[in-house]
Amino acid sequence: EAGVAQSPRYKIIEKRQSVAFWCNPISGHATLYWYQQILGQGPKLLIQFQNNGVVDDSQLPKDRFSAERLKGVDSTLKIQPAKLEDSAVYLCASSWGQAGEKLFFGSGTQLSVL
Amino acid sequence: SQQGEEDPQALSIQEGENATMNCSYKTSINNLQWYRQNSGRGLVHLILIRSNEREKHSGRLRVTLDTSKKSSSLLITASRAADTASYFCAPAGSARQLTFGSGTQLTVLP
Repeated sequence: EAGVAQSPRYKIIEKRQSVAFWCNPISGHATLYWYQQILGQGPKLLIQFQNNGVVDDSQLPKDRFSAERLKGVDSTLKIQPAKLEDSAVYLCASSWGQAGEKLFFGSGTQLSVL
Repeated sequence: SQQGEEDPQALSIQEGENATMNCSYKTSINNLQWYRQNSGRGLVHLILIRSNEREKHSGRLRVTLDTSKKSSSLLITASRAADTASYFCAPAGSARQLTFGSGTQLTVLP
């Protein structure tokens, strides 16, 4: 079975620029998550989708971050404008059905904001 | 959602030794999961233990769960250099969201 695909693998931008990350979950997985992982810390949940609806975005900085899940499959996460503190790895994960079950993670996008 | 807290933060052992990591959480759970993360990679699911289970095995991994103490432990037996990674626990509560702590960084020395 193909895993969770993410692109790009690395991205370097200057502060105040915008950036977008893409995620293709495992086929058939209903739940999709975006996590932010700052160096030395555990992943922090930004947003959770169930099919194409948002279940939880309470920790998403909505003044600069946005996310969508197209037709309940692929998802994009955007940051506009980026700040230095957004430097992190952005991880996408998916799971079969309801939340709380086994997550499958992609390799992540490493973002450096200069 | 609730967060698991792993202990110790860092652990260094010799190849062949056993490694034990602990996880504590605060509220009731439906299940608790352990994940591994190699440097520069995403997390990989290791094992899921449900709230009505006390112990679970998978290969060289043994997980215990004590819901009365709100704690779990992960034991890796006969460790190998390839086990060097960060290990995270993720308790899933009634909201069924997975929240990760800062992890235990395990280093297995050859």
